[in-house]
Amino acid sequence: AQSVTQLGSHVSVSEGALVLLRCNYSSSVPPYLFWYVQYPNQGLQLLLKYTTGATLVKGINGFEAEFKKSETSFHLTKPSAHMSDAAEYFCAVSGDYQTGANNLFFGTGTRLTVIP
Amino acid sequence: SQTIHQWPATLVQPVGSPLSLECTVEGTSNPNLYWYRQAAGRGLQLLFYSIGIDQISSEVPQNLSASRPQDRQFILSSKKLLLSDSGFYLCAWTTGLYNSPLHFGNGTRLTVT
Repeated sequence: AQSVTQLGSHVSVSEGALVLLRCNYSSSVPPYLFWYVQYPNQGLQLLLKYTTGATLVKGINGFEAEFKKSETSFHLTKPSAHMSDAAEYFCAVSGDYQTGANNLFFGTGTRLTVIP
Repeated sequence: SQTIHQWPATLVQPVGSPLSLECTVEGTSNPNLYWYRQAAGRGLQLLFYSIGIDQISSEVPQNLSASRPQDRQFILSSKKLLLSDSGFYLCAWTTGLYNSPLHFGNGTRLTVT
């Protein structure tokens, strides 16, 4: 079955500090993984995605994520936080496409606060 | 390029009134279409998805319904709103390929009073 767990519903970091948002997944098939960002009263915007190939994926706004199959993880990182990074972040895993289900399954989100 | 439009942006409706939220996609054909809801402080709840005209699947039982009268138009409706229907409603589309991301509209903030 497909599912995503995001550890920590709230994360606070100082401006300039490392950002680490955790995501673990469960998938019955080789997964496709996604990170989205949501600013207040807006829709979700795709940050990056992993499908196949290189396990370190770079996205927009300086974010990157590494797919680790052995750990079933897809953590999101950014070396230096900016005030503009304050938002909610969602991790998602693809459905079991072998059975024809191509919906995405989302985690419950992590709210990132950046402290000046 | 593809764009998704969702309206209205905000809506305040009394309990028991009807609801109609619209979503259209431009620049692509035969998209998969989705309605999600975000309640305050909670994650995304998939309400409906559609892989084609008149092909709509409901994920949760509720007093909401969805329709797809045209290939790129997706409508969320209710005959009588409940207080619990308040939330942030998001429309999204994807190409249907399994590695294709969802593309979201800007959402509708619905407050039922």
